[in-house]
Amino acid sequence: DAMVIQNPRYQVTQFGKPVTLSCSQTLNHNVMYWYQQKSSQAPKLLFHYYDKDFNNEADTPDNFQSRRPNTSFCFLDIRSPGLGDAAMYLCATSRDSVLTGETQYFGPGTRLLVL
Amino acid sequence: LAKTTQPISMDSYEGQEVNITCSHNNIATNDYITWYQQFPSQGPRFIIQGYKTKVTNEVASLFIPADRKSSTLSLPRVSLSDTAVYYCLVGSLAAAGNKLTFGGGTRVLVKP
Repeated sequence: DAMVIQNPRYQVTQFGKPVTLSCSQTLNHNVMYWYQQKSSQAPKLLFHYYDKDFNNEADTPDNFQSRRPNTSFCFLDIRSPGLGDAAMYLCATSRDSVLTGETQYFGPGTRLLVL
Repeated sequence: LAKTTQPISMDSYEGQEVNITCSHNNIATNDYITWYQQFPSQGPRFIIQGYKTKVTNEVASLFIPADRKSSTLSLPRVSLSDTAVYYCLVGSLAAAGNKLTFGGGTRVLVKP
């Protein structure tokens, strides 16, 4: 009965080699989020989609891109991973905007290792 | 942007009540306060959410004073399995930009 699914759970890539992380949801939620969480730190929002509308955070590096081809799926593309991009990447969803007090549901995360 | 501040860590014993306070002095009128629990190598899990006064559910209570500049998560009678990091999240997403800020997290260790 998984609701927010992230694949793979662990991803190893090489310095500079593009990598894509995927997220899918069975909740039919309008909003999907991508967070980066480094060791012993709080999650940091990278961007989110409200339906098809993409909302980038001001301090998210251009190296990070996202795609949402349909309601269920959202992808995080890292164009040229650096050693500093090694982290846990969390996908979350919410039915509607958090503005109205909606709860976010998080996936289990994908841990990215950059060699 | 509401900056949130939490204690870094807190120790407790089984059966005790744990209270974690989050400061959010710049909270905006429309902002909600949400608490999440996170175990190692897992995504955060929703615990409780409130806007003002007191909210209680089957696992926790959330106390919010009238000025809303802080909030306190109360975990009654903790067990070893409550050992985790607890995050306070304040904010709302708006078209004008992000106002979604996690606190630094409070690492709670429950001892036998």
